Amino acid sequence: NAGVTQTPKFQVLKTGQSMTLQCAQDMNHEYMSWYRQDPGMGLRLIHYSVGAGITDQGEVPNGYNVSRSTTEDFPLRLLSAAPSQTSVYFCASRQTGQLLGNTEAFFGQGTRLTVV
Amino acid sequence: AQSVAQPEDQVNVAEGNPLTVKCTYSVSGNPYLFWYVQYPNRGLQFLLKYITGDNLVKGSYGFEAEFNKSQTSFHLKKPSALVSDSALYFCAVSPMNTGFQKLVFGTGTRLLVSP
Repeated sequence: NAGVTQTPKFQVLKTGQSMTLQCAQDMNHEYMSWYRQDPGMGLRLIHYSVGAGITDQGEVPNGYNVSRSTTEDFPLRLLSAAPSQTSVYFCASRQTGQLLGNTEAFFGQGTRLTVV
Repeated sequence: AQSVAQPEDQVNVAEGNPLTVKCTYSVSGNPYLFWYVQYPNRGLQFLLKYITGDNLVKGSYGFEAEFNKSQTSFHLKKPSALVSDSALYFCAVSPMNTGFQKLVFGTGTRLLVSP
């Protein structure tokens, strides 16, 4: 199993450009989420999904959109990139159902995004 | 609001010595608690978790953590540190009042083990 796969690994965008960060998991996990990691701030939740067709906002959702058309994929869209969105982005998935609370998250290797 | 605090930005320890990385939490209800490790340019990897039962939980790579409900703490420990343990460590909580749907992370503690 590949686990959680994120693409691309690195990306440079100009202010105002849009792009999609891809995330796919092959563990049949219903729960998927996106975090951004910034120095001194830990990981902050952007959006999450508890299953196909269901998404919700996390702690820092502004400037980002998500959709969940399949169990496997959870892309993150930057609508109009800003320098404040320069960060490392991580996708994660967890097993759900009655086990949601006590299951660990599996993380992708991250996407390092720079907005100039 | 639920939160996790890791009061030390960095912990320095000599190889072979015991290590402790501190974590305290503030949530309503009984949370689920986790520790993750991040090596350079990698995603986070799960180390261990506390759900219920014994307050001392054991995890990967010889790490363990002690849950203390009265002090709302979940400190990560290892009896004998290795240079290869040098990494960034995150404490996380899954609060009951979010239906356990969210993982709230601390700001991370960098562990540096010197030879």
